[in-house]
Amino acid sequence: DSGVTQTPKHLITATGQRVTLRCSPRSGDLSVYWYQQSLDQGLQFLIQYYNGEERAKGNILERFSAQQFPDLHSELNLSSLELGDSALYFCASSEDGWNSPLHFGNGTRLTVT
Amino acid sequence: ILNVEQSPQSLHVQEGDSTNFTCSFPSSNFYALHWYRWETAKSPEALFVMTLNGDEKKKGRISATLNTKEGYSYLYIKGSQPEDSATYLCAFSNTGNQFYFGTGTSLTVIP
Repeated sequence: DSGVTQTPKHLITATGQRVTLRCSPRSGDLSVYWYQQSLDQGLQFLIQYYNGEERAKGNILERFSAQQFPDLHSELNLSSLELGDSALYFCASSEDGWNSPLHFGNGTRLTVT
Repeated sequence: ILNVEQSPQSLHVQEGDSTNFTCSFPSSNFYALHWYRWETAKSPEALFVMTLNGDEKKKGRISATLNTKEGYSYLYIKGSQPEDSATYLCAFSNTGNQFYFGTGTSLTVIP
């Protein structure tokens, strides 16, 4: 058990809808990362937060947004969903810094129909 | 987006064989190189964090080396066991923040 909790585990929704994915980091970790894994693709970095502030942005679409709250949990909001957004979304947390390993949650499987 | 390449894409070995995989990354602005093990239906689990050129890390039968000047890292597994079957991912950071993952090497150890 990595200590990172992601909810929900599965999500099925229709095109055009909006969903929110939730992540609680491991106790003591200040950084939260979001990754997307689409079919036959590797882990694509979306965004990183550190102690409530956005720290790095990757290939995140404008329809997607995220935030990290004062209690350090994070939410990833996906809107105007398209079929191509179907993927496994992982949250990971780390203490801080490039020399800390990432601890991954079990992911949220999003299916857009 | 930086290119992190892993080879081979997949590998089948017999139980007891030793094996190794490669992770290639840009050699400029190096901060860190991570290795993760990802078993089916689970989430990636950290194996090693490497930050210095020449770093060598070991955990049981698994070890890793790092060459930041030429931009590669090797992961070695000695005496492979069926429970070593997994996808092995490397992740590179050139900023200290975002980590770019390779697509992984899928290892199957045949009993």
